[in-house]
Amino acid sequence: EVQLVASGGDLVQPGRSLRLSCTGSGFFFGDFGLSWFRQAPGKGPEWLGFIRAKTYGETTEYAAPVEGRFTFSRDDSKSIAYLQMNSLKTEDTAVYYCTRDRQHHFGGLYYYYMDVWGEGTTVTVSS
Amino acid sequence: IQLTQSPSSLSASVGDRVSFTCRASQGISSYVAWYQQKPGKAPKLLIYDASTLHDEVPSRFSGSGMGTDFTLTISSLQPEDFATYYCQQLYANPLTFGGGTKVEIK
Repeated sequence: EVQLVASGGDLVQPGRSLRLSCTGSGFFFGDFGLSWFRQAPGKGPEWLGFIRAKTYGETTEYAAPVEGRFTFSRDDSKSIAYLQMNSLKTEDTAVYYCTRDRQHHFGGLYYYYMDVWGEGTTVTVSS
Repeated sequence: IQLTQSPSSLSASVGDRVSFTCRASQGISSYVAWYQQKPGKAPKLLIYDASTLHDEVPSRFSGSGMGTDFTLTISSLQPEDFATYYCQQLYANPLTFGGGTKVEIK
């Protein structure tokens, strides 16, 4: 069974750091790009960015609210991706999800859609 | 790119045909996905390319649209379909979602 599981969520104080993990199973982890999303209570999902597969240079892109504070990385030998979160703010409180990104050719363009979402992990930033 | 979903909620009965819409603030071709989310669970992909059903998604779900206006239809609502549905645009970063449509039992 194809599966992703996010872990590492915790209660942290503003300004502190936290690292989340995303562990994959049931597929060849290194072949896929991965995205991160979060969802604050009562809100829709919010895109945080992605890390592409090694084939594509492990390229990363970040959403504006987290650029410079969050860093994506991956260790394909362990089938794990990481989200390093620094300088955390109260507004970072959310459930965090990782996704498997499937490359798709449509309408003359290649794009990615998120075909597998992992179980989320909860991050609470509060003093 | 902003996505506006309507209605924000609807009440329906098992067996009903329901449709809800997603409007984009600019043209996004057919680069739209639809997700179903139940409380405490991760979103689940239903449709991509605006109308392509993802693996093992029941055929009572269908999507349509191109450009700025998109529709998700459930032809015969089942008990397990009561959930919140989100559209997502995959046309350009930052990827964005609509505000969701919550389908409740009448």
